[in-house]
Amino acid sequence: SQQGEEDPQALSIQEGENATMNCSYKTSINNLQWYRQNSGRGLVHLILIRSNEREKHSGRLRVTLDTSKKSSSLLITASRAADTASYFCATVPNSGGYQKVTFGTGTKLQVIP
Amino acid sequence: EAQVTQNPRYLITVTGKKLTVTCSQNMNHEYMSWYRQDPGLGLRQIYYSMNVEVTDKGDVPEGYKVSRKEKRNFPLILESPSPNQTSLYFCASSLQGRQPQHFGDGTRLSIL
Repeated sequence: SQQGEEDPQALSIQEGENATMNCSYKTSINNLQWYRQNSGRGLVHLILIRSNEREKHSGRLRVTLDTSKKSSSLLITASRAADTASYFCATVPNSGGYQKVTFGTGTKLQVIP
Repeated sequence: EAQVTQNPRYLITVTGKKLTVTCSQNMNHEYMSWYRQDPGLGLRQIYYSMNVEVTDKGDVPEGYKVSRKEKRNFPLILESPSPNQTSLYFCASSLQGRQPQHFGDGTRLSIL
């Protein structure tokens, strides 16, 4: 399977609910980044968490990182219809080809008004 | 306005006809990269460049070429396109390789 796999592949929730997406990866990382993509558009960076950090917040976003399990989660609280998009994690390796960024397959989130 | 600009946005062409997708950024970023996005496969890195005249292969470089003669430009060249290169392509840049990337709006290529 790919480095940086998200689950679930798709998620449908009601406005106001929380949405949680998970990302698993395989190799040692320097940092992990979360991006958002509106349909057919370019990706937009949301939040970066470094390998020595466990949790990070930005507005309604909360990201956690568990390097022992090689996994991360993105929580969007009090979701809005405008949060409907695909969300991707991207890993930056810790050594060697650190310039090589690996994206996951994404979670498609639908927030129903 | 800080941006990554790709051209063309859409292109339909035929097998074997050489094409170039241009990418330009105005943020003086050192790192630039090309990705392709296919359903169910996410984004896969084609090539990246750490700086002028420094390029390296990503995960799916076959059938593509790149060059980085100037810091702001990073064109993607398909010398002999084939139908399996039909995809949505994104160019991205960042200050350095480990930092968050700014993405262009994408180029949708159809190779018949």
